Amino acid sequence: QSALTQPRSVSGSPGQSVTISCTGTSSDVGAYNYVSWYQQYPGKAPKLMIYDVSKWPSGVPDRFSGSKSGNTASLTISGLQAEDEADYYCCSYAGSYTWVFGGGTKLTVL
Amino acid sequence: QVQLVESGGGVVQPGGSLRLSCAASGFTFSSFAMHWVRQAPGKGLEWVAFMWSDGSNKYYADSVKGRFTISRDNPKNTLYLQMNTLRTEDTGVYYCARKFGGSYTLDYWGQGTLVTVSS
Repeated sequence: QSALTQPRSVSGSPGQSVTISCTGTSSDVGAYNYVSWYQQYPGKAPKLMIYDVSKWPSGVPDRFSGSKSGNTASLTISGLQAEDEADYYCCSYAGSYTWVFGGGTKLTVL
Repeated sequence: QVQLVESGGGVVQPGGSLRLSCAASGFTFSSFAMHWVRQAPGKGLEWVAFMWSDGSNKYYADSVKGRFTISRDNPKNTLYLQMNTLRTEDTGVYYCARKFGGSYTLDYWGQGTLVTVSS
C-alpha cells in the first residue's frame, strides 16, 4: 500500500493549461480504470473532480480532464483560473477493497 | 442533498482509545458502502477503512489493521470508527466518505474531525 507518486507542486498562468501526473504500479493504476482526482482547499474537505480515469461528476467544469497510460494517470486543467489554486490528489482502487492515494500536488496560479 | 457530519475527535494520550461517528443524511445510507480516510497535519490523504453497505465485510489499511474497527448502524444512518492503541502517527483529520454506487470512487466527503494523539 505505497502512496501513488505526484509532483509536489505545479504552476501556471491564468488561461494556460497544466497537467498533474500520478504514477502507481501494475497493481493499482495500471490494473484498474478506477482512478479519481480530488481538489482540496486549505481546511476543507476534498471534492471529487474526475472519476473512473476520465468521467466528470455533475457540476465539475469540463476544463478538468483525466487520462491514463500504463501505470500513470494525469489530470489536465485547461483555461486556468485563480480559483483552481488548491491541492490535488489522485486515488486508485488497488484491489481487494483497498484504495491508495497520491501524496498531493499544490497548484499555484501565477 | 448528501451530507456527512463527523464527530468524536479530540485529544488522547498514546495507547488510548477514541470512537468517531459519521452521521449521514440526504441519501439512503443503508444502500451505500462507506470509507474512512485520514490526513495528517500538512500531509496527504491516506485511506483507512472500508465497509460494505450491509456491514458484512470490512477492510483496513495495514497501518491500522488490528487496532481500528469500522462499523455502522444503518437504522441510525451512522458510520463509526473505533480506534484503539492510538499512536502519535494516528494524529490527523479523519473524514468519512461515501463510495459511489457505480464505481470504486469516493464521491461525497464530510468536513472531518481532528484527532490528536499526544502525551
